[in-house]
Amino acid sequence: DGGITQSPKYLFRKEGQNVTLSCEQNLNHDAMYWYRQDPGQGLRLIYYSQIVNDFQKGDIAEGYSVSREKKESFPLTVTSAQKNPTAFYLCASSTAGLYDEQYFGPGTRLTVT
Amino acid sequence: KNEVEQSPQNLTAQEGEFITINCSYSVGISALHWLQQHPGGGIVSLFMLSSGKKKHGRLIATINIQEKHSSLHITASHPRDSAVYICAVFQNMYSGGGADGLTFGKGTHLIIQP
Repeated sequence: DGGITQSPKYLFRKEGQNVTLSCEQNLNHDAMYWYRQDPGQGLRLIYYSQIVNDFQKGDIAEGYSVSREKKESFPLTVTSAQKNPTAFYLCASSTAGLYDEQYFGPGTRLTVT
Repeated sequence: KNEVEQSPQNLTAQEGEFITINCSYSVGISALHWLQQHPGGGIVSLFMLSSGKKKHGRLIATINIQEKHSSLHITASHPRDSAVYICAVFQNMYSGGGADGLTFGKGTHLIIQP
């Protein structure tokens, strides 16, 4: 079955630690995205990549980093510089760019204490 | 940046009722998406539209570009329709919105009671 996988579903970390969230897709999509969702707010774009080895900052990139070494994978690192890292993180992919219909992963709920 | 407003924020209805969820935006767009988020957090794309109307099963989405408004309708609602419905708009320089951007509404939380 084609789709997007994110792991783990729940993640707990101590403040000051970097943590990497996994996102893999087997849909052969060129574009991949990372979003953050907080209670009472709309999804906000962190980073996106339209092609391997290239990515652009979204609206809230500070404190985050990404890589796109393979078409199938787009990991997100939440660094210790991110002031409020506790949130629900969603990965998505599409055939082309932001215009296109996006397919979402199940999400990772990160809690930092 | 586009301002996206959804109404109502919360809606509780009885099974079988006709449901309407509204989305308004402030800047011209190239496309509008309707998404469904289940209680577990997973998100599914329902519609992508740039004009007119689309229908899929009991779901109907309409858009009025001139009025910068879209509606999502659910006919013969069922408890399994209970979810958060999210509107997202894409604008770019061709739509008069400047740089490429995708803006999400805060969602409408729908509960259908049996």
